[in-house]
Amino acid sequence: DADVTQTPRNRITKTGKRIMLECSQTKGHDRMYWYRQDPGLGLRLIYYSFDVKDINKGEISDGYSVSRQAQAKFSLSLESAIPNQTALYFCATRPGHRALGYNEQFFGPGTRLTVL
Amino acid sequence: AQKITQTQPGMFVQEKEAVTLDCTYDTSDPSYGLFWYKQPSSGEMIFLIYQGSYDQQNATEGRYSLNFQKARKSANLVISASQLGDSAMYFCAMSGGSTGTASKLTFGTGTRLQVTL
Repeated sequence: DADVTQTPRNRITKTGKRIMLECSQTKGHDRMYWYRQDPGLGLRLIYYSFDVKDINKGEISDGYSVSRQAQAKFSLSLESAIPNQTALYFCATRPGHRALGYNEQFFGPGTRLTVL
Repeated sequence: AQKITQTQPGMFVQEKEAVTLDCTYDTSDPSYGLFWYKQPSSGEMIFLIYQGSYDQQNATEGRYSLNFQKARKSANLVISASQLGDSAMYFCAMSGGSTGTASKLTFGTGTRLQVTL
């Protein structure tokens, strides 16, 4: 089984709908991240969380919200989806500071979201 | 603010040849990390290699090496003996800053590598 899973893998929705993307990890990592990828722009950070009680905005958080339900689960919500939120969304995890393998972020397989 | 620049939108290389993918960075943080990720057409992000700003030696991982030139603020990825399976998008990224922000990654726009026969 994959260490970082994302559901759904693909989603098509309509403008104005509420959408939740879910991320689960079995790596036991404290730190979790949500990125979006747009063609020609690389990946950009939406939100990140260092533990269940520590959630922070990234560079493009407007229009998004998150919930860290447990150490292993980090959900991204689009309260009212708009077409320019069409993108590939990645969840990632990383061990806490000074933990073994601290340097690497582990990515989920991505969720391709289309907003019509 | 941190910035990563990848100036090669696309590259071609023949199978079994070496190729260098360019990456320059900008940061005012004294401590930072540099990463390379591979994204094949299937979409997943695959970690390749990491270089810490205080590491004395260039990082190597199998056929991948990172040519780290701190004074020039460059962190080029070298792939030796290219294989057809190396055809993918390659992203350079960096982390840095204080403990609270150190693990966030800033990505470049990527380089698409095509390996030809």
